[in-house]
Amino acid sequence: QSALTQPPSASGSPGQSVTISCTGTSSDVGAYNYVSWYQQHPGKAPKLMIYEVNKRPSGVPDRFSGSKSGNTAALTVSGLQAEDEADYYCSSYAGNNNLVFGGGTKVTVL
Amino acid sequence: EVQLVESGGGLVQPGRSLRLSCATSGFKFNDHAMHWVRQGPGKGLEWVSSISWDGGDIGYGDSVKGRFTISRDNAKKSLYLEMNSLRVEDSALYYCAKGPSPMARAWFDPWGQGTLVTVSS
Repeated sequence: QSALTQPPSASGSPGQSVTISCTGTSSDVGAYNYVSWYQQHPGKAPKLMIYEVNKRPSGVPDRFSGSKSGNTAALTVSGLQAEDEADYYCSSYAGNNNLVFGGGTKVTVL
Repeated sequence: EVQLVESGGGLVQPGRSLRLSCATSGFKFNDHAMHWVRQGPGKGLEWVSSISWDGGDIGYGDSVKGRFTISRDNAKKSLYLEMNSLRVEDSALYYCAKGPSPMARAWFDPWGQGTLVTVSS
C-alpha cells in the first residue's frame, strides 16, 4: 500500500487554471475508476470534490474537473478563485478492500 | 441531513488501547460501507480501515493491520474502531466517513469532524 504521488504544491492567479496530478500504479489508479478528490481547508474536514474519476457531486462548481490516463489521474481547477486555496488529496481503490490516498497538494491562489 | 459524530478520542499512553465510536444519522446506515481515515498533526490523510455494509468485507492500512479492529452495529447505526498497542505515531485526528454504496471500495462522503487521539507517555 504505497501512497499515491502528488506534487506538494501548485499555484495560479485568479481566473487561471491549475492541474494537480496523482500518480499511482496498475494496481490502483490504473486498475479502477474509483479515483476521488478531496478539498480540505485549514481546520476543516475534507470535502468530496470529484468521484469515479470525473463526476462532480451536487453543489461542486463545474470549475472542478477530473480525468485519468493510465496510472495517472488529474484534477483541474479552472477560473481559480480565492476560496479554492486549500489542500487537495486524491484517493483510489487498490483492490482487496484497500484504499490509498495521495500525499496532498497545497494550492495557492496568487 | 447526514451526520457523523466521532467520539472516544483522548490522551493515552503507548501500548494502551482506545475505542473510537462514530454515531450516525440521516441515512440508511446498513446500506452503506463505512470508513476510518486519520490525519496526523500537519500531515496528509491516511486511510485506516473500511467495512462493508454487513461487516463481511474489511480492509486495513498496513500501519494498523493486526492492531486495530473495525466493527459496526447496524441496529445502533454506529461504527467503531478498537485500537490496541497504540504507538506515538498513531497520534492523529480520526475521521469517520460514509461510503456511497454497500461495498467498501469507493469514495468518502461525507466526513465527520473527527476525534483527536494523542499517544504519549
